[in-house]
Amino acid sequence: QQQVKQSPQSLIVQKGGISIINCAYENTAFDYFPWYQQFPGKGPALLIAIRPDVSEKKEGRFTISFNKSAKQFSLHIMDSQPGDSATYFCAASSSGNTPLVFGKGTRLSVIA
Amino acid sequence: EAGVTQSPTHLIKTRGQQATLRCSPISGHTSVYWYQQALGLGLQFLLWYDEGEERNRGNFPPRFSGRQFPNYSSELNVNALELEDSALYLCASSAGDWDYGYTFGSGTRLTVV
Repeated sequence: QQQVKQSPQSLIVQKGGISIINCAYENTAFDYFPWYQQFPGKGPALLIAIRPDVSEKKEGRFTISFNKSAKQFSLHIMDSQPGDSATYFCAASSSGNTPLVFGKGTRLSVIA
Repeated sequence: EAGVTQSPTHLIKTRGQQATLRCSPISGHTSVYWYQQALGLGLQFLLWYDEGEERNRGNFPPRFSGRQFPNYSSELNVNALELEDSALYLCASSAGDWDYGYTFGSGTRLTVV
């Protein structure tokens, strides 16, 4: 049973455009929602994370939007750059009690 | 500060053999997590160790096992290797502070032939 569903599987965005990746979860006990970025040959690295007490969190060009009632959250990358080309994973957990459950990933390509 | 280190980087084994993968967490991190990253399947949770104890186990057969040593380093053992075990195996460590999440190593690429 996949507990976190991520879409799209791949995404091509023009340089300067907005990249949007969506995730949906099933377990209402989840209370921690991070996004990870992975470059080829490297392990995933924490990008940004949110807890359900806020609906949005912004760090530079990266924004997480969270909809608790719909059990959905999304990553927005503003002014996308070729250096943002990577695989992005959403994840969720009940903080401190369960390991992170990851989505299947989105391969983002930003073209000039 | 050194990150999470994994060894070996690559490992080639024959079907039926055993593989041992090693992970050294960030200094001060007591939790170690193992994930399998197979093509198209994302990161699948394998095992979680904290303070030397197994805290949680993913939906994998018993031939996937591991342990955590007193210095918090960890070992993942895969017995009776099957072709579908070929994947990137990632280790992550955490201090338990959720604002900092997991720190992943670069992984061990296991190929079963």
